[in-house]
Amino acid sequence: NAGVMQNPRHLVRRRGQEARLRCSPMKGHSHVYWYRQLPEEGLKFMVYLQKENIIDESGMPKERFSAEFPKEGPSILRIQQVVRGDSAAYFCASSLTAERGVYEQYFGPGTRLTVT
Amino acid sequence: AQSVAQPEDQVNVAEGNPLTVKCTYSVSGNPYLFWYVQYPNRGLQFLLKYITGDNLVKGSYGFEAEFNKSQTSFHLKKPSALVSDSALYFCAVRSGTNAGKSTFGDGTTLTVKP
Repeated sequence: NAGVMQNPRHLVRRRGQEARLRCSPMKGHSHVYWYRQLPEEGLKFMVYLQKENIIDESGMPKERFSAEFPKEGPSILRIQQVVRGDSAAYFCASSLTAERGVYEQYFGPGTRLTVT
Repeated sequence: AQSVAQPEDQVNVAEGNPLTVKCTYSVSGNPYLFWYVQYPNRGLQFLLKYITGDNLVKGSYGFEAEFNKSQTSFHLKKPSALVSDSALYFCAVRSGTNAGKSTFGDGTTLTVKP
C-alpha cells in the first residue's frame, strides 16, 4: 500500500516562472492537505481539499497560489510568478476523513522548491 | 483560533535517560492532539494521538504522551531514549469544530547523545 506520493522531490525555478507540485494521496484517502515549511521554521497550514472541493484555504497567500484536487488525478499546488520567498519545502498529507478530527494525517516526502 | 506551543526549541538527553518534549495547546471545544516526528529531508511520520479516553496514550517506537486537560498540555515522553530518536518533533492540535485543519507547533529538535 503506497504512501502519499509527491513529485517532483526537488524543483528549481527562476523568479517569475510557475511551479506545479503534485500530490497523490494514500489509496482510499479523499482528503488532502498542503503545508509549507520554511527553513528553520515549523509547518504552516495552507489548504485543505476534498475531491473537487476546497474546504479551507485560510492559509493560502491571497495571490499567485492556487490548489485543486480533481475527481481524477493528483492534487496540484500551483504557484505562479514565483519569488525567492517561495523557496521552501511543501508537504502534502492525506487522511481518511476529517470529520470530527479523528484520523491522523499521513505525510508525503515533500517537494523542495528553490527559486533562483 | 487554535494554537500550539512547544516551548523548547532543543532538548538534549543522554542515551538511556528518560525524555520529555513539551507541548501546550489552545483550542475551542474538545481537542484532538497529535505528535509527529520528522527525520532530515523526510516528511512527517505519525507517532500517536489523543482523541478521548485514557489520558496516557501509547504510540510508535516506545513513545507515549500524557493529556492534561487542566494544564492544556500533551507532553511526549519515552522512558529510555535511543540515539536513533534524534529528530524534529511536532505537536499538532485539531478542534472538533474545525474539522480538517491541524495547527502545528514550531517543532522541538531532540538530540540523544551516546
